[in-house]
Amino acid sequence: GAGVSQSPRYKVAKRGQDVALRCDPISGHVSLFWYQQALGQGPEFLTYFQNEAQLDKSGLPSDRFFAERPEGSVSTLKIQRTQQEDSAVYLCASSSSGGTYEQYFGPGTRLTVT
Amino acid sequence: ILNVEQSPQSLHVQEGDSTNFTCSFPSSNFYALHWYRWETAKSPEALFVMTLNGDEKKKGRISATLNTKEGYSYLYIKGSQPEDSATYLCAFPGSGGGADGLTFGKGTHLIIQP
Repeated sequence: GAGVSQSPRYKVAKRGQDVALRCDPISGHVSLFWYQQALGQGPEFLTYFQNEAQLDKSGLPSDRFFAERPEGSVSTLKIQRTQQEDSAVYLCASSSSGGTYEQYFGPGTRLTVT
Repeated sequence: ILNVEQSPQSLHVQEGDSTNFTCSFPSSNFYALHWYRWETAKSPEALFVMTLNGDEKKKGRISATLNTKEGYSYLYIKGSQPEDSATYLCAFPGSGGGADGLTFGKGTHLIIQP
């Protein structure tokens, strides 16, 4: 079956532009996560949805970052007024309903802000 | 703040040799430990989710052990092959297990030399 997909795979934005990154999770997965991976670091948690409810957004670095999952499936991570420090790989993952279930990751979107 | 440490940061191994690396994590309030393999330009792939002290899991030539009392896990690769070249990440969920965002280490970057 289809895995987690993300689009675009690569995005170059000029500083100050807004960007929107899309995640299509595995069908039927209740939980959806966004992570940010800066160069040389491990992925860092941004936010978590259970169905359409955003249960944890403690990792969002600033109020320029906004995520939504309005129908409990596809999710969009939006970054307003991009800054150079936003350059990173943005990973999306989905999983079954909690417990010790593994998370299934997409290939990521590499964002470069110039 | 959870602190997940991985060592070494990078490792060069001759094809055919066996190798291992370490993940250290907080031993209090343990819930589960995840291991992922991330090849360049691909999605991170789940290897193991480990939950019980003394657990040992195996997948082909790769195996992992877990010591929750002292807060470490080892990943072993037997008879390394070029396709094993990847970054190996360990991650520690919050108290909600798989329903929480994962805290990742920085990874061990493994290069298998023919």
